[in-house]
Amino acid sequence: QVQLQESGPGLVKPSETLSLTCTVSGGSISSSNYYWGWIRQPPGKGLEWIGTTYYSGTTYYNPSLTSRVYISVDTSKNQFSLELSSVTAADTAVYYCARVADYYESSGHGVRYFDPWGRGTLVTVSS
Amino acid sequence: EIVLTQSPGTLSLSPGERATLSCRASQSVISSYLGWYQLKPGQAPRLLIYGASSRATGIPDRFSGSGSGTDFTLTISRLEPEDFAVYYCQQYGSSPYTFGQGTKLEIK
Repeated sequence: QVQLQESGPGLVKPSETLSLTCTVSGGSISSSNYYWGWIRQPPGKGLEWIGTTYYSGTTYYNPSLTSRVYISVDTSKNQFSLELSSVTAADTAVYYCARVADYYESSGHGVRYFDPWGRGTLVTVSS
Repeated sequence: EIVLTQSPGTLSLSPGERATLSCRASQSVISSYLGWYQLKPGQAPRLLIYGASSRATGIPDRFSGSGSGTDFTLTISRLEPEDFAVYYCQQYGSSPYTFGQGTKLEIK
């Protein structure tokens, strides 16, 4: 079964760039019915969708973050990555990666959902 | 942006009881793009329901989803000890994809 694992620094200084990688195992990141996404959860708060990418490089970002976020894919390593620039304390959060299913059922209805997810990695922004 | 409002914020119940969690959208959501997730500390979030009412693979049949338009419900028919967690609804029909603020299901 497909598994995802986030990796990257747990501490980032204010104004610097947060960089995380999600490694996909048990399946190909180039599968046609799947996108790949990043989600975060600040301490004590709810979930926020950051962005989604396809293996071809097509990306979709949350408008609230679009000026600072960049998501890329490395099909040779079966990985996708997140970069978030000019971070502040407000970017402190658990960052999750997830596979995004996106397809049409035989009924013709579109289906989309995030599954599976990684366990998440806490990134703290502090000097 | 579609705002999802979950209620109640906290639900205190005992094992064996029935739990009903609500998710209300600020505008109509395409049903096939409404999902429910379970979060527990230190664990990967778990997809429970997609398409408003379809159970994800491996999810027990005590979990069920219903609703359409702006009102959606997650029902857990008989609570097991492992069901006490935080539950989130999510819509992915309209960008930005948004989540509700969560309902904490705690043991009474």
